[in-house]
Amino acid sequence: NAGVTQTPKFQVLKTGQSMTLQCAQDMNHEYMSWYRQDPGMGLRLIHYSVGAGITDQGEVPNGYNVSRSTTEDFPLRLLSAAPSQTSVYFCASSYSFRLAGGPDTQYFGPGTRLTVL
Amino acid sequence: AQSVAQPEDQVNVAEGNPLTVKCTYSVSGNPYLFWYVQYPNRGLQFLLKYITGDNLVKGSYGFEAEFNKSQTSFHLKKPSALVSDSALYFCAVRDGYTGRRALTFGSGTRLQVQP
Repeated sequence: NAGVTQTPKFQVLKTGQSMTLQCAQDMNHEYMSWYRQDPGMGLRLIHYSVGAGITDQGEVPNGYNVSRSTTEDFPLRLLSAAPSQTSVYFCASSYSFRLAGGPDTQYFGPGTRLTVL
Repeated sequence: AQSVAQPEDQVNVAEGNPLTVKCTYSVSGNPYLFWYVQYPNRGLQFLLKYITGDNLVKGSYGFEAEFNKSQTSFHLKKPSALVSDSALYFCAVRDGYTGRRALTFGSGTRLQVQP
């Protein structure tokens, strides 16, 4: 059981380049989300998904796309990278969405440190 | 809307002394409250959560937190700090009234435990 995995660990991009941050979980969790962490700002929600085929925007979605074709994978795409997207990105997952009153714990991946020049 | 405030950027405490990391929250419904810890270059690790029941919640590594509804607070505590507790601590909240699972995080408090 690997938990939540993220690749790559580090990435440097030039402005305007595109890339995909990968996230996978092997816990059969329905809920997955992407956060970015910036100094002094805590974690901010980018996008989330409550199950395969369903995604929605979080607090800071601009410049990012997501899709959820399987329960296990939730990639985050940067279509045209900008320096403002320099950050540490965390993927998280949790289960029991459909259980009423199920306030589950979110499990976080190790993060991807992205620098956009 | 939901929000979390962690008023202290850094807390310094001597090893063996009690520690408190403060958190206040705002939600329109019932609060589900969480504490996470982040060690350098690592992801966030779950410490404890309050959903309902006893106001004093016990979690991992000897940490506990006290839910105070009238003060809308959820302070993290430990009776005796260890140097290994030095890390970045995040408080988070979600509105239990809605089905939305998204957490709102505070800005984090860096705990420094001196030997």
